[in-house]
Amino acid sequence: KAGVTQTPRYLIKTRGQQVTLSCSPISGHRSVSWYQQTPGQGLQFLFEYFSETQRNKGNFPGRFSGRQFSNSRSEMNVSTLELGDSALYLCASSSRRDRGVYNEQFFGPGTRLTVL
Amino acid sequence: SQKIEQNSEALNIQEGKTATLTCNYTNYSPAYLQWYRQDPGRGPVFLLLIRENEKEKRKERLKVTFDTTLKQSLFHITASQPADSATYLCALDLRDDKIIFGKGTRLHILP
Repeated sequence: KAGVTQTPRYLIKTRGQQVTLSCSPISGHRSVSWYQQTPGQGLQFLFEYFSETQRNKGNFPGRFSGRQFSNSRSEMNVSTLELGDSALYLCASSSRRDRGVYNEQFFGPGTRLTVL
Repeated sequence: SQKIEQNSEALNIQEGKTATLTCNYTNYSPAYLQWYRQDPGRGPVFLLLIRENEKEKRKERLKVTFDTTLKQSLFHITASQPADSATYLCALDLRDDKIIFGKGTRLHILP
């Protein structure tokens, strides 16, 4: 079974630009979550999508958004990039269906975003 | 305030000894607690999940305990090997449908 894939692996942008990251979950997984990882803050939950609907959201500004397609692939968008958005963005898929139980998450390798 | 803390940023353990990592939390009431391993440049890999009504869980050389009174989980690696060197993250699976990760402990197993 193929794992979670993320594209691109590395990205360099400048302040004010926007970026779109892509995630393909494990086949059969309908839950896709996004995380931001930085040395200072650790791994922080951005949002979760399930069956094309955002089901859960972390404490990030509205510049961070996402969507999920009918094939469960997900994209994350960050608009008006700031220097502090430089981070590793991780996507995780899960077989979780019901709310309230996260189960095991399978993470992709991440996209390393650098904002200059 | 709500906090999740992993005992130290880095831990050095001699090969063959038992490595014990700690995850403490305050003002949370997790339903589950999970442990992940992360290697440099890679995403975290799930290791173990323990439920609030379970005291201990084992998987090969790994053992996790969960004390909801102390608000603490201990993660043990017995007969540690250099290949166990990695960052280990604990995660609280909260009742309000959120998941919170600790910042991790970098474990170095010294040959």
